[in-house]
Amino acid sequence: DVKVTQSSRYLVKRTGEKVFLECVQDMDHENMFWYRQDPGLGLRLIYFSYDVKMKEKGDIPEGYSVSREKKERFSLILESASTNQTSMYLCASRTTGTGENSPLHFGNGTRLTVT
Amino acid sequence: AQSVTQLDSQVPVFEEAPVELRCNYSSSVSVYLFWYVQYPNQGLQLLLKYLSGSTLVESINGFEAEFNKSQTSFHLRKPSVHISDTAEYFCAVNTGFQKLVFGTGTRLLVSP
Repeated sequence: DVKVTQSSRYLVKRTGEKVFLECVQDMDHENMFWYRQDPGLGLRLIYFSYDVKMKEKGDIPEGYSVSREKKERFSLILESASTNQTSMYLCASRTTGTGENSPLHFGNGTRLTVT
Repeated sequence: AQSVTQLDSQVPVFEEAPVELRCNYSSSVSVYLFWYVQYPNQGLQLLLKYLSGSTLVESINGFEAEFNKSQTSFHLRKPSVHISDTAEYFCAVNTGFQKLVFGTGTRLLVSP
């Protein structure tokens, strides 16, 4: 089974702090994604990466950056956390081996609170 | 641009009753459609997907969804729900370019 591990289940940070959310997958997947999940808004794509050192902006990239130095690890960075970034963050990965329709595999999420 | 609409934010139902969770999409090209489920305190898991062929797709736990091109719908159904089906359900469409667009989710609440 594919395992996508997010390093923290809960995080509490202060406004202005730099925050790192880490995600690791163990199935050699090419694609990795960061979403945020908010009530009534569903999942919104922040950034994705289709290969090492490659990144693409999603629908809501403002205030975020990402890093993918190794294939298995995809980090989401909040350069200066703000209260409107309080949310559930979900990491996902996917192989491209079976084409565009291979399913996403999600981690259990990191609930970030910015105070 | 592709989009997904889930009109019902919450659907309460009694155990063993049938349920339908609605999903409509908009797209100008061929689509691939998915239903994901999120159990409490977990990430999302794939429930079922439509790629091509038969318009009725089934999952291993009794859910099914029917692709209706003329109505641009992909509603999820189960003839008899269990307490354990309580979860949030997300419809999604593949936009190409390696991205999925998700609906806002429907919370299914099953009561005894």
